Amino acid sequence: EAGVTQSPRYAVLQEGQAVSFWCDPISGHDTLYWYQQPRDQGPQLLVYFRDEAVIDNSQLPSDRFSAVRPKGTNSTLKIQSAKQGDTATYLCASSPQGWDTQYFGPGTRLLVL
Amino acid sequence: GDSVTQTEGLVTLTKGLPVMLNCTYQTTYSPFLFWYVQHLNEAPKLLLKSSTDNKRTEHQGFYATLHKSSSSFHLQKSSVQLSDSALYFCALSDDSGYNKLTFGKGTVLLVSP
Repeated sequence: EAGVTQSPRYAVLQEGQAVSFWCDPISGHDTLYWYQQPRDQGPQLLVYFRDEAVIDNSQLPSDRFSAVRPKGTNSTLKIQSAKQGDTATYLCASSPQGWDTQYFGPGTRLLVL
Repeated sequence: GDSVTQTEGLVTLTKGLPVMLNCTYQTTYSPFLFWYVQHLNEAPKLLLKSSTDNKRTEHQGFYATLHKSSSSFHLQKSSVQLSDSALYFCALSDDSGYNKLTFGKGTVLLVSP
């Protein structure tokens, strides 16, 4: 069974540039999570979906970050105008409904100069 | 809100010695605790999980016991190996039905020959 896949694996930007991260969850997993993991810190939940619906995006900096999952499968996280403080690894995870374990992708490492 | 505390940022040990990584939590809900391990440039992977008070859970030589009386879920191993060098996260799930995780800051375990 294929795991959670993410692309790109690495991104380097100048401040003010936009970037999109893509996540393909494990087939059949209806819940999808996006985390931000700053260097030397634990993952911090940004947003999560059940199918195509956003369940909670309260931790998403809404003025610059957006996330969609239009068909309830793949998801895209976008940063409209990146700042140096956005430098982090962005992790995607998925889980079947009612299951207690999240399965993580390898992450996208973002460096904003 | 929920919180997880990992007191050690870095633990360095010689191969063959025992280790205990501390994890305490705060929640108003019934706790479900996890340990995730993240090797360098890899995705976090589930190591252990438990929601049962005072019951030891084991996997790959690691073990932990959830103690609700002290709000703790410390990770232990009797003899560490070089391959155990990694970043270890303790995480707490809420009982919303969406398995929303709150992570600690993580502990880096470095095992030397």
